Amino acid sequence: DTGVSQDPRHKITKRGQNVTFRCDPISEHNRLYWYRQTLGQGPEFLTYFQNEAQLEKSRLLSDRFSAERPKGSFSTLEIQRTEQGDSAMYLCASSRPGTGSIYEQYFGPGTRLTVT
Amino acid sequence: DAKTTQPPSMDCAEGRAANLPCNHSTISGNEYVYWYRQIHSQGPQYIIHGLKNNETNEMASLIITEDRKSSTLILPHATLRDTAVYYCIVSNDYKLSFGAGTTVTVRA
Repeated sequence: DTGVSQDPRHKITKRGQNVTFRCDPISEHNRLYWYRQTLGQGPEFLTYFQNEAQLEKSRLLSDRFSAERPKGSFSTLEIQRTEQGDSAMYLCASSRPGTGSIYEQYFGPGTRLTVT
Repeated sequence: DAKTTQPPSMDCAEGRAANLPCNHSTISGNEYVYWYRQIHSQGPQYIIHGLKNNETNEMASLIITEDRKSSTLILPHATLRDTAVYYCIVSNDYKLSFGAGTTVTVRA
């Protein structure tokens, strides 16, 4: 169990640029989640994948945001035309298949985005 | 809409038990109670969850009242490394709704 990894850990970009983040879940986990966390707040749910299918997107995920999970393995979150309000920590989590504790989510260290 | 209510902060002495309360008076029958914590600059970490019965693992104990309207997370012997924001969450699906949590500071 190598844990959930995210890359990059930090990203500074200028307003209007596009950015892409990557998440590698725990290998046997088929569920993957993206959250966003702003300073002083708890994480907010953005989207959820089961295998390669994106099953839910929050209203927080505007049309500038897109997430993919090709082949049900790693996932990418892209933000187009970044705005200063996009500055936040972007967290990825994964969970294993099955019942009972399937909602026990394992989080990565996050990618901190700063839009200048 | 907040489903849980937690005190914003609490202090605890190192080596003593830390009891973290959470109110969830509108919890429905199929919703679990989850506890996560987030140490500064890290992603949240799962601690424990339960439905009706009390639960214990290597990290903590979870006490759920009989009416399920409140719960208490117990850290039996708090250490300085337990300083973190602790989140109490009720959910019956994959979507975890984190509130503001309780900032727990363990003091030597």
